[in-house]
Amino acid sequence: EPEVTQTPSHQVTQMGQEVILRCVPISNHLYFYWYRQILGQKVEFLVSFYNNEISEKSEIFDDQFSVERPDGSNFTLKIRSTKLEDSAMYFCASRPQTDTQYFGPGTRLTVL
Amino acid sequence: RKEVEQDPGPFNVPEGATVAFNCTYSNSASQSFFWYRQDCRKEPKLLMSVYSSGNEDGRFTAQLNRASQYISLLIRDSKLSDSATYLCVVRGQAGTALIFGKGTTLSVSS
Repeated sequence: EPEVTQTPSHQVTQMGQEVILRCVPISNHLYFYWYRQILGQKVEFLVSFYNNEISEKSEIFDDQFSVERPDGSNFTLKIRSTKLEDSAMYFCASRPQTDTQYFGPGTRLTVL
Repeated sequence: RKEVEQDPGPFNVPEGATVAFNCTYSNSASQSFFWYRQDCRKEPKLLMSVYSSGNEDGRFTAQLNRASQYISLLIRDSKLSDSATYLCVVRGQAGTALIFGKGTTLSVSS
């Protein structure tokens, strides 16, 4: 069964550094998403991406964040200057034309 | 008012028990409804979509009451492997972003 994959599984970085989180969505899916989950809190929507552009973003997704689909398979989330409060689990998701979103295993980001 | 509210639990039940979870959502224009399951430090996994007519998948039954903005999940004959956090999830009107509840934790013991 096809799956969303994410790398790395765990990223440790210093405050102020840039990080890039990578995702490979399911191959025939058209819509891509990033969510985050701070430890002990709910899953929160960050951004959705369709047809090579952002289709929706939340208040969390400020100028420090950007997304890109650099090739036909990868979907990346960049955080330009990480803050302590960016420490969280970041989930990528994708979906076909139907409603169901499929989540990757997540990248645990720790900002020191 | 929180967008999606759930009783956080935990619900501690013995194997074989029937357990019900409830959820309310604030946006009456919400379009789609789901139950996801999340194991500790893992990704959310779709358990089932929820329809107004109600739907059943094996031991799991989901119901939606649009008038009351209320969603439920019933688990019959609980198994040890059902231990997890159950997330009530709603898709809003404006886009396709999913809005998650904080989850209800279930612990099934032998």
